[in-house]
Amino acid sequence: EVQLVESGGALVQPGGSLRLSCAASGFTFNAYWMTWVRQTPDKGLEWVANIKQDGSEKHYMASVQGRFTISRDNAKNSLYLQMNSLRTEDTAIYYCAKHTKPDFREDSFHYWGQGTQVTVSS
Amino acid sequence: DIQMTQSPSTLSASVGDIVTITCRASQSVTNRLAWYQQKPGKAPKLLIYETSTLQSGVPSRFSGTGFGTEFTLTVSSLQPDDFATYYCHQYSYYSWTFGQGTKVDIK
Repeated sequence: EVQLVESGGALVQPGGSLRLSCAASGFTFNAYWMTWVRQTPDKGLEWVANIKQDGSEKHYMASVQGRFTISRDNAKNSLYLQMNSLRTEDTAIYYCAKHTKPDFREDSFHYWGQGTQVTVSS
Repeated sequence: DIQMTQSPSTLSASVGDIVTITCRASQSVTNRLAWYQQKPGKAPKLLIYETSTLQSGVPSRFSGTGFGTEFTLTVSSLQPDDFATYYCHQYSYYSWTFGQGTKVDIK
């Protein structure tokens, strides 16, 4: 059974940092692109970043470029999102998601974690 | 960025109704379009990908059509478990965006 379990969400002040983790199991982690998606009541679902199987290719949404870093550790079957210089508009539920087909960058998201809440507020 | 516009934003329907949700892309995404169902407090669930391919385990009352910029999700006979919010998602060349969602509630 595929499982994605996020952790690391918290309340943080503007300008602060946070590192999200996503523990994956039940599939061949190093065969799939992985993605972070966030959700707010106002903006709905937003793609945040994704990473190739071997970590050699990464893409970010414009508003987090330079502040967020996606990474993965295939030995630990884990995905990460390092978030720096956090802003109030980064407040959201953050989900990690597994791409549907192996080795596909442009792809739907077959499995999602349960999400972790990030709140940026003073 | 490719913008995705869903309509309607909300839809009131009864059990047994045929329900159709439309998604329009600001430029062609060919067939790179997925649909998700989300219930309160839960993560989105993949229903359909590549416009019309039903994800394993999804009831056959769900179907998807379209190409390019116009897409539809149809539920042929709405069931109690189908009251939820639905999102379209395009994943064309170096671009991944979602529609704003369509909430299907009980009439």
